[in-house]
Amino acid sequence: GQNIDQPTEMTATEGAIVQINCTYQTSGFNGLFWYQQHAGEAPTFLSYNVLDGLEEKGRFSSFLSRSKGYSYLLLKELQMKDSASYLCAVRDTGGFKTIFGAGTRLFVKA
Amino acid sequence: GAVVSQHPSWVICKSGTSVKIECRSLDFQATTMFWYRQFPKQSLMLMATSNEGSKATYEQGVEKDKFLINHASLTLSTLTVTSAHPEDSSFYICSARGTESITGELFFGEGSRLTVL
Repeated sequence: GQNIDQPTEMTATEGAIVQINCTYQTSGFNGLFWYQQHAGEAPTFLSYNVLDGLEEKGRFSSFLSRSKGYSYLLLKELQMKDSASYLCAVRDTGGFKTIFGAGTRLFVKA
Repeated sequence: GAVVSQHPSWVICKSGTSVKIECRSLDFQATTMFWYRQFPKQSLMLMATSNEGSKATYEQGVEKDKFLINHASLTLSTLTVTSAHPEDSSFYICSARGTESITGELFFGEGSRLTVL
């Protein structure tokens, strides 16, 4: 079966660093994505990992361990506008179907 | 990046009527589009994979006769919610894979919020 787990909510302070974890168990694996979604809007792409290791992209970094079925999204120098839901998603092999986790709602406080 | 446009953004209809939602890829050809549904404070649930020129592939538990999908061209896919009922009220989002991107991430339409009275 398909199962993607991530914390429901997190709170962090402006300027701080926050790490959002994601574990997955899927029948196939062809890449892991992180998307950001503000309330009432469509998701936007943040990062992609297909090989083990860390991918850095400005204030955002994402890590993947395929053997552990584990990923995290690291957000540095938090800003108020980073308050949003962060969705962990796994793409299946063949057909490129992408399955999403329930999302982590991040609240950034001053 | 690739642009996906969805219409309408908001729709309110009476129970028993049908509603059509359009999804267009504006600057690229999308042989495959994906339709998701999202209930409040929940994640995206994949409903079906829309393939240009062929029948859509529905996820388990999604009624194909209730959610009609047509992908008649490389830039347009439509989702029709037939005989809508209040429990069909949700946020429907289409997406397409970025064909020019190495990562092949999904580009999403703006979403369509359906309210069935």
